[in-house]
Amino acid sequence: KAGVTQTPRYLIKTRGQQVTLSCSPISGHRSVSWYQQTPGQGLQFLFEYFSETQRNKGNFPGRFSGRQFSNSRSEMNVSTLELGDSALYLCASSLVAGGPPGETQYFGPGTRLLVL
Amino acid sequence: EDKVVQSPLSLVVHEGDTVTLNCSYEVTNFRSLLWYKQEKKAPTFLFMLTSSGIEKKSGRLSSILDKKELFSILNITATQTGDSAIYLCAVEYVQGAQKLVFGQGTRLTINP
Repeated sequence: KAGVTQTPRYLIKTRGQQVTLSCSPISGHRSVSWYQQTPGQGLQFLFEYFSETQRNKGNFPGRFSGRQFSNSRSEMNVSTLELGDSALYLCASSLVAGGPPGETQYFGPGTRLLVL
Repeated sequence: EDKVVQSPLSLVVHEGDTVTLNCSYEVTNFRSLLWYKQEKKAPTFLFMLTSSGIEKKSGRLSSILDKKELFSILNITATQTGDSAIYLCAVEYVQGAQKLVFGQGTRLTINP
């Protein structure tokens, strides 16, 4: 079974631009979560989608948005990029949302975004 | 504010040493605590702990949870260079919806 895939793997943008990252979960998984990882802040939760609906949202500004399609693939969008948005963006999929404790999340390889 | 704190943030030891990584948390409506290993990119799942005092083991790695004192430890015995990684602790809790919050991670370096 293929794992979680994310595209692109690397991205360089300039301030003010916008970016769209894509995540394809493991086949059969319906929940997709997004995280931002930086050396200073660690791994921080962005949002979670299940059945095309956003179930959870972290403490990020409205420039960060996402969506999920009927095939469970998810995209996240960051508009008006800032230097501080440079980070590794990880996507994780799980079978269901709100399932038994520790319903295992499987992480993708991440997209490393550099904002110049 | 719900939070997860790991210590130390960084640790350098020699191959063969035993290490203990710590994770303390303050959350309401705790459901589980998870440990992940992150080598290059994707964190990989190690353990899930839901009950106090029950040790989980996988080879040279083991972990235990203390729900009274709100912490967990991850032990690695007879360390190898391949154990070098960032070890992440995450706590799953319910606040409206089910949430997962991560600690900052411990960067472990094993020198030959």
